[in-house]
Order: sequence, then C-alpha cells, then structure tokens
Amino acid sequence: EPEVTQTPSHQVTQMGQEVILRCVPISNHLYFYWYRQILGQKVEFLVSFYNNEISEKSEIFDDQFSVERPDGSNFTLKIRSTKLEDSAMYFCASSELAGDPEQYFGPGTRLTVT
Amino acid sequence: QKEVEQNSGPLSVPEGAIASLNCTYSDRGSQSFFWYRQYSGKSPELIMFIYSNGDKEDGRFTAQLNKASQYVSLLIRDSQPSDSATYLCAVNQGAQKLVFGQGTRLTINP
Repeated sequence: EPEVTQTPSHQVTQMGQEVILRCVPISNHLYFYWYRQILGQKVEFLVSFYNNEISEKSEIFDDQFSVERPDGSNFTLKIRSTKLEDSAMYFCASSELAGDPEQYFGPGTRLTVT
Repeated sequence: QKEVEQNSGPLSVPEGAIASLNCTYSDRGSQSFFWYRQYSGKSPELIMFIYSNGDKEDGRFTAQLNKASQYVSLLIRDSQPSDSATYLCAVNQGAQKLVFGQGTRLTINP
C-alpha cells in the first residue's frame, strides 16, 4: 500500500540553525501539506502546496518557514533559524485530488531544538 | 478562530463493549469530517471520514454526523485492546486545511 515517507525520523539541532525536513508524498497525489504537533498538544496545520506553489498557510508559517518541491518526488520544509519553540513532531501529508480532503500522513520527524 | 472540541478523556471501556467518542465543531461551513487514530509517538492514521448527515459504517466503526447540531461521533463496536489510542476528530476548513481537536484518549481494558 502506498504511503508517505519522511526523513529523518529525529533531528536534533541548535537554536538558530537551519533545518530541512524531507517528505516523499504518495506518488499519484497532487496536494501536499505540513502539520506540526507540539508534545501534548493538537495537530496544527502549517501549509498546503499545490502545483508548485503555496495554496494556504497558517499564522504559524511565518518568514522563517519555506516549502519546496525540488524534484518530482520530494517535498521539503525548511526552517531558517530554529527557535526552542519549534521543537515538535512535523508531519507531512498528501491527498490525491482537487477538493479531495482525505489526507494521509507520514510517520513524522521529531525536531528537537536545543 | 474555528474550533474543534473533544473530551480529552481518558475514556475507559471494557473489552468487547462499545466505545463512543464525540466531537463538536464551530465552523458551519465545514463539509468534511474525519476520525484519525494516533498511537503514542506515532502519526495520525485515517480511519473514517463522513460528508453527509447520518451514519456511515465501516467494519467495527460507525461515524455519525449531525450538521444541524455541529456534532460528529465515532462508535467502536466490540472494542479490542488494540483500539487503545488517542482518537482525533478533524474538520476541513476551506478546501484543504484540516483543523484537529485535542483528541480523546481511549483505553480498552481486557
């Protein structure tokens, strides 16, 4: 069964450093998303991406964040200058069709900022 | 701010019984409703979705939607210890964004 994959599973970084989280969405899916979940809190929407551009972003997704689809398979989230409060699980998700809201999540990357 | 509300639990149910999980949402424009299961330290796993008022059954799971009351529920019949997890209610806001509730932690006691 096709699935979303993410690397690395755990990333430790120092405050102020840049990190890139990687995702490979399900191959026939066209819409891609990033969510985060701070320990013990809700899953929160960050950004959606379609046709090589951001289609929606949340207030959390400020200038420190960017997304890119550098090739036909990868989808990345970059945090330019990490803060302690960026420590969270980051989930990539994808969905197949326009207006198809069924989103399938990857296993997540645990980001720890020290 | 559009919200999705769930009782955080924990909800404790004996094995073989019916577990009932509830969710309310504030955005009347929402059209799509989802239940995800999340095991500790793992990612959300989609288990049910419902778009129309009424009931939708899939195996041991039944989702119920009442748009007039802005209420979604999930019933799990014949609960198994492997059903012990946190259940997340999610509602679409706009075309692509999902808004999640806090989740209800369910424990099935053998």
